[in-house]
Amino acid sequence: SQTIHQWPATLVQPVGSPLSLECTVEGTSNPNLYWYRQAAGRGLQLLFYSVGIGQISSEVPQNLSASRPQDRQFILSSKKLLLSDSGFYLCAWRSGQIVYNSPLHFGNGTRLTVT
Amino acid sequence: AQTVTQSQPEMSVQEAETVTLSCTYDTSESDYYLFWYKQPPSRQMILVIRQEAYKQQNATENRFSVNFQKAAKSFSLKISDSQLGDAAMYFCAYRSGSNFGNEKLTFGTGTRLTIIP
Repeated sequence: SQTIHQWPATLVQPVGSPLSLECTVEGTSNPNLYWYRQAAGRGLQLLFYSVGIGQISSEVPQNLSASRPQDRQFILSSKKLLLSDSGFYLCAWRSGQIVYNSPLHFGNGTRLTVT
Repeated sequence: AQTVTQSQPEMSVQEAETVTLSCTYDTSESDYYLFWYKQPPSRQMILVIRQEAYKQQNATENRFSVNFQKAAKSFSLKISDSQLGDAAMYFCAYRSGSNFGNEKLTFGTGTRLTIIP
């Protein structure tokens, strides 16, 4: 069966520090991978998605970036965190095959607090 | 761009009763997919139910069912026999069925459901 791992679960970082959140998927090949952010009391905002190694689509321009160095690994990064980067970050995957009604499967999320 | 609107920030229901959560969406497409996700206090997002726009029959999953009104662009979730474990944030989501842009899932802002014992 497929599983998705996301870490760390919580993170407190000072303003201006770098960020690296990692997500890996097991039990599937060529998944589509996603990074969402959920601000307090708000819905989910799509940040990045990837349909293959090295292929990154950015939805919201900001000081975050994403990379996919391996088929089942997705990394969210920042060189210098801002206070506004605080939030709950969710990694997700879905089948890379053309199955339109396939749902997203989410990781457990990372709560990031920038101080 | 498609938008998803959940007009009820909070709802509450007595245990064992039925509750309906509202969702409307705006799209010019005829082929798309709709989803309801549940986010309990653990914060993990869990798929509740999905609906294909080309299907007229409303989807059902045990105590969960939807009322899909394509012309009205409405996709409400009905929870029957509410249980304490149903307490969560519920998100409505939309995905395009076109060859382009179908990778993205657009979410509403959520409805927090409280179950009253």
